[in-house]
Amino acid sequence: ETGVTQTPRHLVMGMTNKKSLKCEQHLGHNAMYWYKQSAKKPLELMFVYNFKEQTENNSVPSRFSPECPNSSHLFLHLHTLQPEDSALYLCASSGLAGSTDTQYFGPGTRLTVL
Amino acid sequence: GDSVTQMEGPVTLSEEACLTINCTYTATGYPSLFWYVQYPGEGLQLLLKATKADDKGSNKGFEATYRKETTSFHLEKGSVQVSDSAVYFCAQYKAAGNKLTFGGGTRVLVKP
Repeated sequence: ETGVTQTPRHLVMGMTNKKSLKCEQHLGHNAMYWYKQSAKKPLELMFVYNFKEQTENNSVPSRFSPECPNSSHLFLHLHTLQPEDSALYLCASSGLAGSTDTQYFGPGTRLTVL
Repeated sequence: GDSVTQMEGPVTLSEEACLTINCTYTATGYPSLFWYVQYPGEGLQLLLKATKADDKGSNKGFEATYRKETTSFHLEKGSVQVSDSAVYFCAQYKAAGNKLTFGGGTRVLVKP
């Protein structure tokens, strides 16, 4: 498989559930990102990882917990979410955070919180 | 702060018509500029980019020129197809801030 993959593509969860989103990049990149795309709102950067280290947390609530075990994998752990957290969650990767390299996006996970 | 403003959609046009989507940015310094496209049910795909003033990015018949004097990066295509129906996002990136800032997106619908 090539590019950036995300699983699952769709997820429905209750407010008391715990779930995780997975992202994997096959591009040899060193930086990975989580974005949130809500209807009628601009894309929001959530987290940035550079060489497995978190370099940015854009004031994201603690009910979202990222994990980056290596440069190819990125997770977003979800717990006690709210209905307003329903959105498309996009993962991206680039050659090196802080450079002008282009970010490549995965297809996203469509999350619905009931 | 840094921002990107693009025309609101939806933009509806017929096949073979000309498309222009306006994009302007505010930034200190000299950002790199991008256009991304999002087809229904998919993530964002890079369409084209330009990294310095007067650069022209082009791909799949789309073009955009980095205009520093007007802080603009308008997207153009001379003859659209139904398959160009998508949401188009303008974005700027500055290494110093380590942030890719997106505009709100413009939905384009091309009718046969």
